[in-house]
Amino acid sequence: SAVISQKPSRDICQRGTSLTIQCQVDSQVTMMFWYRQQPGQSLTLIATANQGSEATYESGFVIDKFPISRPNLTFSTLTVSNMSPEDSSIYLCSVTDTNFYEQYFGPGTRLTVT
Amino acid sequence: QKEVEQNSGPLSVPEGAIASLNCTYSDRGSQSFFWYRQYSGKSPELIMFIYSNGDKEDGRFTAQLNKASQYVSLLIRDSQPSDSATYLCAVRGNQFYFGTGTSLTVIP
Repeated sequence: SAVISQKPSRDICQRGTSLTIQCQVDSQVTMMFWYRQQPGQSLTLIATANQGSEATYESGFVIDKFPISRPNLTFSTLTVSNMSPEDSSIYLCSVTDTNFYEQYFGPGTRLTVT
Repeated sequence: QKEVEQNSGPLSVPEGAIASLNCTYSDRGSQSFFWYRQYSGKSPELIMFIYSNGDKEDGRFTAQLNKASQYVSLLIRDSQPSDSATYLCAVRGNQFYFGTGTSLTVIP
């Protein structure tokens, strides 16, 4: 399986600021996703990061709040904009194998907004 | 109706016992089924996947799939305290759907 890293691993941010989370994969992958996991909850898909085109957002998530970049097949960023305490969560990058069968997760970014 | 449903637990079993985790899904067209283990404060780790009806064994873990009943389960034999975690069921149709997870505690 691919090795996935995320930066930062955690951060504490002030309300109204923005944070960009980076996701790096050690091999080229077709599909990259961004999830949010709030305390005690399961995973919520934010968007699919598409290489060379705009991300595909799930219901309830918008580009202005969560802009995503995917400049190549090994890297993506998620920005959490104009943060509020409700954005406090773990943000996870994931990738699938070539056949879109198995999905693997990065270590996550734990975000606290004060 | 949720796409994937799991009993949230918590499920407690004594060390050495068999832990049984269950999951149902709503989309009959689902093609692939996965079990993830998530330790507190960590990201989900893929531990089992199954594509065909029947059983699939990997060490102490057995995944069972019954597409007619839209049911998938995970059995953990000889449970160890290190198996204490939340187990997430995931189903792939056109996209991945995750259940809310079952918390398992193995009591020494």
